[in-house]
Amino acid sequence: GQQVMQIPQYQHVQEGEDFTTYCNSSTTLSNIQWYKQRPGGHPVFLIQLVKSGEVKKQKRLTFQFGEAKKNSSLHITATQTTDVGTYFCAGDEWETSGSRLTFGEGTQLTVNP
Amino acid sequence: IAGITQAPTSQILAAGRRMTLRCTQDMRHNAMYWYRQDLGLGLRLIHYSNTAGTTGKGEVPDGYSVSRANTDDFPLTLASAVPSQTSVYFCASSDSIHTEAFFGQGTRLTVV
Repeated sequence: GQQVMQIPQYQHVQEGEDFTTYCNSSTTLSNIQWYKQRPGGHPVFLIQLVKSGEVKKQKRLTFQFGEAKKNSSLHITATQTTDVGTYFCAGDEWETSGSRLTFGEGTQLTVNP
Repeated sequence: IAGITQAPTSQILAAGRRMTLRCTQDMRHNAMYWYRQDLGLGLRLIHYSNTAGTTGKGEVPDGYSVSRANTDDFPLTLASAVPSQTSVYFCASSDSIHTEAFFGQGTRLTVV
């Protein structure tokens, strides 16, 4: 079955440094979604990428979808303490029975002020 | 406020007992999902339902069952709880397949 791997598992940065998390799928995806989970909270949708090579930006966050639609990345420029949390990618592989979102293990980001 | 509600928020359960985790959404979403979250393992899909009346098995379905009698409700039942089912359980819904998922607040279950 589909596997989605995410690295690194943990990342500690000083406030103001950049941060990147990478996501790789064992199969070609129809789309990829990114979620953020604050400590003690629930996952919250950030963005969805659909097209091969797509790049989307949300303020300091930049999301990329690979040309082969098997990998993705999330880059945060100049991290802030409000960026703390776990970032998950979720691969969507089309099946005849419908959507099957498979989540990566997540990257837990801590930001030291 | 529209959204997705889970109950209970937390529960301590004796091994061997039966337990149903409740999930209700008022967004009229077609698709609903149950995930469990364990440290280092991310979110793993237990069961899903793409529309009322249909259900499917996810990555880790053993020991769990679901039903989808109507659009709004998607209960998850543990027939005979075991300690390995200690986890945080999240229910989620989406308007249709391939669109963003909205998550409930989660149920923290401890099986002793």
